[in-house]
Amino acid sequence: ETGVTQTPRHLVMGMTNKKSLKCEQHLGHNAMYWYKQSAKKPLELMFVYNFKEQTENNSVPSRFSPECPNSSHLFLHLHTLQPEDSALYLCASSPSRQGPSYEQYFGPGTRLTVT
Amino acid sequence: GQNIDQPTEMTATEGAIVQINCTYQTSGFNGLFWYQQHAGEAPTFLSYNVLDGLEEKGRFSSFLSRSKGYSYLLLKELQMKDSASYLCAVREGGNNRKLIWGLGTSLAVNP
Repeated sequence: ETGVTQTPRHLVMGMTNKKSLKCEQHLGHNAMYWYKQSAKKPLELMFVYNFKEQTENNSVPSRFSPECPNSSHLFLHLHTLQPEDSALYLCASSPSRQGPSYEQYFGPGTRLTVT
Repeated sequence: GQNIDQPTEMTATEGAIVQINCTYQTSGFNGLFWYQQHAGEAPTFLSYNVLDGLEEKGRFSSFLSRSKGYSYLLLKELQMKDSASYLCAVREGGNNRKLIWGLGTSLAVNP
């Protein structure tokens, strides 16, 4: 069983397009995350959702719009992106309980190229 | 400010032992994580340290010294499949799910 899945795996879009990234987790977790991974940069946390409520927005531009309809699904809606937004977008999930060692489980990522 | 430092690249030989260091400067500390990421794949959890000392898990061990802001990941009996990027991440607060990530260390294992 694949714990966290993401679709599509690869996406090429123009700057005027609108597209959405999808993430689904089958681990029974209640916290979900969007990260951006660019070359020569650390993983950048974009958004955190806990029990469907957004708990963190890390100063992400409004051209990225997250949606969490339930604890198993997370979307990232994209519109009027810039070439510098080209990156690997990773989704992750973790338990919501206040345990100290809960690790995050990552999906395989969507490789986004903005032309 | 917040800062996590790791070497950018390392090279080792199959069967050998390699140590990947991580130093951190954060406003708080509530645990340090190591993840492995193969090219084009998801990061996968390797280890977690919150108390000083060594945690051993098979061929991999992780060490933490909170007073020195220092951790290392030790990989023994290296295999070709260990060629990957190793990411160090620190959680600052107890209720904070946010992790501060290092750039990662790209390890190449040669035959």
